[in-house]
Amino acid sequence: GNSVTQMEGPVTLSEEAFLTINCTYTATGYPSLFWYVQYPGEGLQLLLKATKADDKGSNKGFEATYRKETTSFHLEKGSVQVSDSAVYFCALILNAGNMLTFGGGTRLMVKP
Amino acid sequence: DSGVTQTPKHLITATGQRVTLRCSPRSGDLSVYWYQQSLDQGLQFLIQYYNGEERAKGNILERFSAQQFPDLHSELNLSSLELGDSALYFCASSVAGRGEQYFGPGTRLTVT
Repeated sequence: GNSVTQMEGPVTLSEEAFLTINCTYTATGYPSLFWYVQYPGEGLQLLLKATKADDKGSNKGFEATYRKETTSFHLEKGSVQVSDSAVYFCALILNAGNMLTFGGGTRLMVKP
Repeated sequence: DSGVTQTPKHLITATGQRVTLRCSPRSGDLSVYWYQQSLDQGLQFLIQYYNGEERAKGNILERFSAQQFPDLHSELNLSSLELGDSALYFCASSVAGRGEQYFGPGTRLTVT
């Protein structure tokens, strides 16, 4: 079946540090890949996406590149802020209109 | 604001009871998905509706059911509630043919 594996958190960083959250996937076909973010007490917000190999998704300073050869979609940000503290979920979908398969989530804590 | 609304925001009820969670998708979205988020199971897909018809089922218990109405809003019915049903229940919607899903703020269900 399809699955997504994320690094376990929490990840604790100081403000302006570099962020990497690892995500790898297993899928029977060629999925689209997503990062969602969940701020405390809120729902999931779409952060970025990539639909094919070598695509780079980016938004709000976050980036992730779809690497088919390593089945990975690692999330990066060059300089984190306290306001980035949240839980980040990597997810995949095999075909548009299907269900999302989520990783376990990674909690990020950014300290001033 | 994703444009997906869910009511109620919080629900506290006793074991054995039945509750109904409501979701209104973004304007124009025909697909509605229900997910359950719990500490031990993470984010799990429950069920999907497309334009009033059931499209896919995930790990949904037989005690749970859902429907989508002609105005496209959806309801998730949970019956014979158990303590283990305590979780956050999210609704998401998507445009036909697009992979990304937009999530509502969730309903937090507490079964006592």
